[in-house]
Amino acid sequence: QQQVKQSPQSLIVQKGGISIINCAYENTAFDYFPWYQQFPGKGPALLIAIRPDVSEKKEGRFTISFNKSAKQFSLHIMDSQPGDSATYFCAAFEQGNEKLTFGTGTRLTIIP
Amino acid sequence: NAGVTQTPKFQVLKTGQSMTLQCAQDMNHNSMYWYRQDPGMGLRLIYYSASEGTTDKGEVPNGYNVSRLNKREFSLRLESAAPSQTSVYFCASSENRASGELFFGEGSRLTVL
Repeated sequence: QQQVKQSPQSLIVQKGGISIINCAYENTAFDYFPWYQQFPGKGPALLIAIRPDVSEKKEGRFTISFNKSAKQFSLHIMDSQPGDSATYFCAAFEQGNEKLTFGTGTRLTIIP
Repeated sequence: NAGVTQTPKFQVLKTGQSMTLQCAQDMNHNSMYWYRQDPGMGLRLIYYSASEGTTDKGEVPNGYNVSRLNKREFSLRLESAAPSQTSVYFCASSENRASGELFFGEGSRLTVL
């Protein structure tokens, strides 16, 4: 079964808008939640990450919101730009068994 | 600074043929991984190596073998390729298994006819 559920599968946002990608998990042992960004023809690269002891982390235009009680976390991209067009993967890491589990990915397209 | 280098970038095989995907990292990382990426499936772990000399199965190991040749190199072998192994394969490394932060190569696109 999919331990990390990601939605939507694809997303189109106008330039300057806010892009929102959501993830949900079941395993309460997960203790580190990274987001990876992947451009066409490239490998994924770490974008931003959060630990469950905080509810929000912001780096520039990228923000992770984390709701521990609901077991959900989301990526918000403010003032979305065409250069943000990429596939985004959420992931969850369980330090106890050192396993990183990925969501299924969201293809984001920013249109002018 | 190359990071994680994979070869080849593209390969076409016929069913039953064998091949090896090569991966090398220059970051002195202890842990290395092989993932496959398929549409709608995300990234799924095939095998990993927590340190030189050790390898372990991931989520989808069937049909694959791996070798951790030394600290830098981790290869993935398909002994008898099947169409279901058509995928994009990514090698990754991390400082250690407890890190949670992976550095990926650019991928190897494999088609099995």
